[in-house]
Amino acid sequence: NAGVMQNPRHLVRRRGQEARLRCSPMKGHSHVYWYRQLPEEGLKFMVYLQKENIIDESGMPKERFSAEFPKEGPSILRIQQVVRGDSAAYFCASSPASGVTRNEQFFGPGTRLTVL
Amino acid sequence: QKEVEQDPGPLSVPEGAIVSLNCTYSNSAFQYFMWYRQYSRKGPELLMYTYSSGNKEDGRFTAQVDKSSKYISLFIRDSQPSDSATYLCASLNAGGTSYGKLTFGQGTILTVHP
Repeated sequence: NAGVMQNPRHLVRRRGQEARLRCSPMKGHSHVYWYRQLPEEGLKFMVYLQKENIIDESGMPKERFSAEFPKEGPSILRIQQVVRGDSAAYFCASSPASGVTRNEQFFGPGTRLTVL
Repeated sequence: QKEVEQDPGPLSVPEGAIVSLNCTYSNSAFQYFMWYRQYSRKGPELLMYTYSSGNKEDGRFTAQVDKSSKYISLFIRDSQPSDSATYLCASLNAGGTSYGKLTFGQGTILTVHP
């Protein structure tokens, strides 16, 4: 019973490059959430997606960041023109669409992005 | 003011001690209260959650929520070295436009020494 999968686990980019982070939710889950954990800070919500639909992107920076969850395939968090301040651990979580467990978010292992 | 406040510690206790971890929150709309455990360089692991006020017990872990004082607690009985981790409290407003958005405390670093 595979949990939430994220890849790559580690990603190194130079300033100005693009970073693409992928997340496959747990089997049976159709809701995906992205969080960012900066050094010495707690987890911060970024975006909440359902298949082909962005539900809440109130935590996403207005520029350079985008997220999608297509009908087929994993959810993608895309960061364009990365800067050093984007260096962080990015976590994806998933939950089922309905039922008593719909509020339980299960996290993946994270992608650690380093911007040189 | 942060919506969820948590003392980062660090907290160091001997094996077998009872551990008390606490958070306060300011948003009255929060309805669900979660505790996650995060080992170094790993993803957060959901330990347990409660809805509204009350207690919930699972093995050595007990979660308490007091909505009147906006206080969240996690108690760990008979603590073990394997409990050494960062403990994160989180709150969720399950209605309205913030549905799905977990708001986390900063996390408390716990070390249980043999």
